[in-house]
Amino acid sequence: SQQGEEDPQALSIQEGENATMNCSYKTSINNLQWYRQNSGRGLVHLILIRSNEREKHSGRLRVTLDTSKKSSSLLITASRAADTASYFCATAPIKAAGNKLTFGGGTRVLVKP
Amino acid sequence: DAGITQSPRHKVTETGTPVTLRCHQTENHRYMYWYRQDPGHGLRLIHYSYGVKDTDKGEVSDGYSVSRSKTEDFLLTLESATSSQTSVYFCAISEGTVITEAFFGQGTRLTVV
Repeated sequence: SQQGEEDPQALSIQEGENATMNCSYKTSINNLQWYRQNSGRGLVHLILIRSNEREKHSGRLRVTLDTSKKSSSLLITASRAADTASYFCATAPIKAAGNKLTFGGGTRVLVKP
Repeated sequence: DAGITQSPRHKVTETGTPVTLRCHQTENHRYMYWYRQDPGHGLRLIHYSYGVKDTDKGEVSDGYSVSRSKTEDFLLTLESATSSQTSVYFCAISEGTVITEAFFGQGTRLTVV
């Protein structure tokens, strides 16, 4: 089974609206990361939040982390058609040997113009 | 884009034949990963490497082997390809003793017929 699980699996919104997706994980982590994947392309790193951080911002992205609930959320504000993509969370477990980065199943986001 | 190249980008092969996928990096990053991506499963880790000749298994390693004889190259071999190994394969690299962001290749679409 996967370490991270995103929710919802798919999301459809209008341009200008906010998009929120969640990630739950199972084991203690060193950090949690969010990635974007455009159709047919490789994943691109968006933001990393460490286990001792609760919130982080990068442009229109806001990430929160609740280690007590083993969950994270990614908020994209004022969405644009170009934000249409799949979004994945990835976790770096605290005791992983060799830096195993484990991904969830992703959230497909469709932003309609 | 980070200097990471996967080859080939597309391949069709017959069941039972061996197949080798290559990942080449020019970033001198210590860690290299092979993932497969399938609908409904997100990205699943096959094998990873934490140095030359240092490799370890991921969550779906059966039927796959890897080798890393040089820092820049990480090879994934399907010993005897099966239809269940039809997938998109991604290589990723990262640096540091603690997992930071990973950089992904463009992927290899493998079809086993």
